[in-house]
Amino acid sequence: DQQVKQNSPSLSVQEGRISILNCDYTNSMFDYFLWYKKYPAEGPTFLISISSIKDKNEDGRFTVFLNKSAKHLSLHIVPSQPGDSAVYFCAASAVEYGNKLVFGAGTILRVKS
Amino acid sequence: DVKVTQSSRYLVKRTGEKVFLECVQDMDHENMFWYRQDPGLGLRLIYFSYDVKMKEKGDIPEGYSVSREKKERFSLILESASTNQTSMYLCASSLLFREREQYFGPGTRLTVT
Repeated sequence: DQQVKQNSPSLSVQEGRISILNCDYTNSMFDYFLWYKKYPAEGPTFLISISSIKDKNEDGRFTVFLNKSAKHLSLHIVPSQPGDSAVYFCAASAVEYGNKLVFGAGTILRVKS
Repeated sequence: DVKVTQSSRYLVKRTGEKVFLECVQDMDHENMFWYRQDPGLGLRLIYFSYDVKMKEKGDIPEGYSVSREKKERFSLILESASTNQTSMYLCASSLLFREREQYFGPGTRLTVT
């Protein structure tokens, strides 16, 4: 039973437009969320995070929004660039899990030039 | 810059063989993790360790064991490799507290024939 779900396996966006990647979770104990980006043949790299005390966190072109009531978060990339083409993983953490993260299945983003 | 290295990028082993995957990090991180990544399933935690000689089971520990004799090194052992252990194996490390992002190695693509 997946506690973190990324229901879109892939997304295709035109360069310069906004990319929106979505993530849903089922465990209300999750209180810290992270996004990782992964290029082929490389390990995932940390992108941005958000604590449940916030509803938005921004870092340059990347913004993460958290809707706790809907148990939903999204990653916005504006403007999208071809170099953003990668697999994006959403991950969640809870105090009861200690230092463990629970990852979603990932979404493949393709940014077309 | 944090560096996490894994002993092999590609590995081919036969069913029943004992397999060792090595991971080394150079940033004095307390936590180390082993994941496997499979299409449609994301990253699943096999084992993690928060200190030398300490280990905890993740979500899918069956068929695996780990060893952490030194702080910088975390080994994953497949006691008797099976074809369903064909996967991408990713090692990660992080500072102690859960809000700290995990740093990943490049991964080892293991094929068991």
